[in-house]
Amino acid sequence: EIVMTQSPATLSVSPGERATLSCRASQTVGNSVAWYQQKPGQAPRVLIYGASTRATGIPARFSGSGSGTEFTLTISSLQSEDSALYYCQQYNKWPPYTFGQGTKLEIK
Amino acid sequence: ELQLLESGGGLVKPGGSLRLSCAASHFTFENYVVSWVRQSPGTGLEWLGSISGSAISTYYADSLKGRFSISRDNSKNIFFLQMNNLRVEDSAIYYCATEHWDLRGAYFDNWGQGTLVTVSS
Repeated sequence: EIVMTQSPATLSVSPGERATLSCRASQTVGNSVAWYQQKPGQAPRVLIYGASTRATGIPARFSGSGSGTEFTLTISSLQSEDSALYYCQQYNKWPPYTFGQGTKLEIK
Repeated sequence: ELQLLESGGGLVKPGGSLRLSCAASHFTFENYVVSWVRQSPGTGLEWLGSISGSAISTYYADSLKGRFSISRDNSKNIFFLQMNNLRVEDSAIYYCATEHWDLRGAYFDNWGQGTLVTVSS
């Protein structure tokens, strides 16, 4: 089973600044990584798939990068509504599909 | 707009059983592979298993050890998660989600709102 490790656990960033979230896979997963955003009381929503492709309707301030074992989600020009939990998921080797433990993004 | 709606959650005693349902609307159901994913504070998001559009193929997480099974009824646009021999650690919010195939596997592009399962004596 591939283990996905996210860092940091919590990130606090001011509005208008950039947030960088990291995800590391325990073995190579190519670029088969998705990122999700989850707000309190809601289901996760896919932001990025294929490591760098934005899902439909996702604002351009969200971008993904990386391949192999190291991946990054960058949120430029943070807005208050970006406060949420963010998860990465690998889908290169399955079953099982596996998720990271999440990063909590707080807006100062 | 594609919609998924889970139901069937609730309080159950350890060792008991529960069947969750996920009703789908506004899309051609049999064209989609669907999965169950659960979320608890202690373990985050955990993929449980999936079922192909035709129901010929099912896949499960090894951790379930045969206690859970997934099925679907395409004539009614609904699919199910049967959970047996429930444990306290199965307490979680259970989501159904459609899969979107990409390269070597799938990500989850549509989710239900979730149904809460609590296993407690």
